[in-house]
Order: sequence, then structure tokens, then C-alpha cells
Amino acid sequence: AQTVTQSQPEMSVQEAETVTLSCTYDTSENNYYLFWYKQPPSRQMILVIRQEAYKQQNATENRFSVNFQKAAKSFSLKISDSQLGDTAMYFCAFTPYNNNDMRFGAGTRLTVKP
Amino acid sequence: DVKVTQSSRYLVKRTGEKVFLECVQDMDHENMFWYRQDPGLGLRLIYFSYDVKMKEKGDIPEGYSVSREKKERFSLILESASTNQTSMYLCASSPSGTGYYEQYFGPGTRLTVT
Repeated sequence: AQTVTQSQPEMSVQEAETVTLSCTYDTSENNYYLFWYKQPPSRQMILVIRQEAYKQQNATENRFSVNFQKAAKSFSLKISDSQLGDTAMYFCAFTPYNNNDMRFGAGTRLTVKP
Repeated sequence: DVKVTQSSRYLVKRTGEKVFLECVQDMDHENMFWYRQDPGLGLRLIYFSYDVKMKEKGDIPEGYSVSREKKERFSLILESASTNQTSMYLCASSPSGTGYYEQYFGPGTRLTVT
């Protein structure tokens, strides 16, 4: 069974600074997908970024980028130029290649301070 | 835009009551999911459905049942609510197929059982 671990329950960062959220996972699969989701306070969870395991290039979406280390089974999220609207719970998630069985980490609560 | 709606944002029920949580999606997705979100535990899958009238148990199905009579609607039923079912409940949907597809989440229902 796949497991996802987020070892930082809470983090904070100053506005305009850069922060990195950590995620590790355990799987015997070779092909799979990794996700970061954002859940703002009292709002719906939304996808931030997706990484396909067979792609070596790290995914980027504007200020959000990942550091995907397949051999180490590590998938960290970097947020550059942090904004107050980035304050949220962030969940790392894993799905196998051939089905939708998504596994989530425990989450990291990020606070961006003015 | 994909829209997933849940019948209530907040719900307070008494121990022993039968509770219905409703979820509706408008994107013709085959897959629908019910999760429970608790601090420090992330999202845990209760049940999912990959087609009308089809259901599969997730990791924590005990004390819950589900119903999917129409493609767009997926209901979670607590047959006899207990205090340990006090939690945030999230519904999600996704297209069928590989694990590439993100899940789209509803706003959540915060259920309190007293």
C-alpha cells in the first residue's frame, strides 16, 4: 500500500519570501502521479500542481514549483514570492498510474505573515 | 468550471440519529468519493463509486454506507451517528481512467455529533 508523509504540521513564511514544503511517499510502483492540493480557510480544496513520475522535468505553475526526486521518493513544493492568499493547508497526494486511488498526506498548515 | 456541491456546510446531530450527506457534481464524472478529514490524519477514504449503483469500500467504511442512484449524486449515510464521527466530510469527483486526473472537491460538511 502506498503511504504519503508530510513531516511539517505547520510552517510560516514572511510575505514575498520563499518557502518549501516537504513530502515523501512510499510505493513499489514505477509509474504514478503526485499532486499538491491547497485548502484555503473555509474554502474548497484545489489542485496546485501535478507531477508525472515518468517525466524527469520538475513541474512548475507560476510561483509554484516542485522538486521531484524519484529515487529518494521525495516531492517537495516550493512557493516563491509568497502572498497572503497562499495561507492554507497544503496536502501532498499520490495516485498509481492505472487507477484513481488517491492517497493523501496529513497536511501542512502554511501561514504567510505580512 | 467543475462544480461539486454538498448539501450542508455545517450540521449538528444527536447520537443515534440517521444522517444523510449529499453531494452533487455537474461535470458528468464517473468517479465520486467520500473522505473524512481530521487534524493530523489528512484525508481518509470512506467509500468511492465508479459508476451508478456501484460502490467500493475505502479505508474506513465502518459505520457508513453510500448510495449512488444517479450519476451526478453520491450520498453518504451514517446509519446511527456516534460522537467519534464528528469530523469534516469532503466529497470529490473525477473522470474515470488513469491516476492522471485530479479530483475536484466540494466545500465540505462539518458534522458535529453530540
